[in-house]
Amino acid sequence: RKEVEQDPGPFNVPEGATVAFNCTYSNSASQSFFWYRQDCRKEPKLLMSVYSSGNEDGRFTAQLNRASQYISLLIRDSKLSDSATYLCVVNGGSYIPTFGRGTSLIVHP
Amino acid sequence: DTAVSQTPKYLVTQMGNDKSIKCEQNLGHDTMYWYKQDSKKFLKIMFSYNNKELIINETVPNRFSPKSPDKAHLNLHINSLELGDSAVYFCASSPDGTNEKLFFGSGTQLSVL
Repeated sequence: RKEVEQDPGPFNVPEGATVAFNCTYSNSASQSFFWYRQDCRKEPKLLMSVYSSGNEDGRFTAQLNRASQYISLLIRDSKLSDSATYLCVVNGGSYIPTFGRGTSLIVHP
Repeated sequence: DTAVSQTPKYLVTQMGNDKSIKCEQNLGHDTMYWYKQDSKKFLKIMFSYNNKELIINETVPNRFSPKSPDKAHLNLHINSLELGDSAVYFCASSPDGTNEKLFFGSGTQLSVL
């Protein structure tokens, strides 16, 4: 089993739709979790951290389920500018941030 | 002003050559990383340094040699380049390497011909 797994997609959704991605991880001792966004030919940038109690930042909501070892990202009211690859990152211990392969999102008019 | 800068942005070279990629961060972070992103867009960690000391060396050929002269710099030297080395290489830094977010450089597109 890969350490961090994501559905590569692409998820093709119309503007205004709600879309959700999941990411599963294999290391139950993982301490911290993040979602990054990567635009085509650009570097990854932090979108949001994921806290045990769940957290929200505008249209974005992140959840952590330790029992089932997955994190999720929900995007409400999708915008064209949300089109990107969303990378799940799990920090399994000091100095080892591990990336998933990413989920591609395409928002169309 | 750039927080994490790496040079060059593009590197085109012949098989067998030796090349270097430089990375500098002005964030005062203790930890720096090199990641490789292949054609399938998978970001794989190569090395991690904390305060100039090597922490992680994943299964990377020994043709790849990182050098950290100080905690603000982490350079990557590659000997005897092979076709399979073609990828985008990202440098990143984080405050202390435990559970903090990563700041990435803009990447170096390496093409080996």
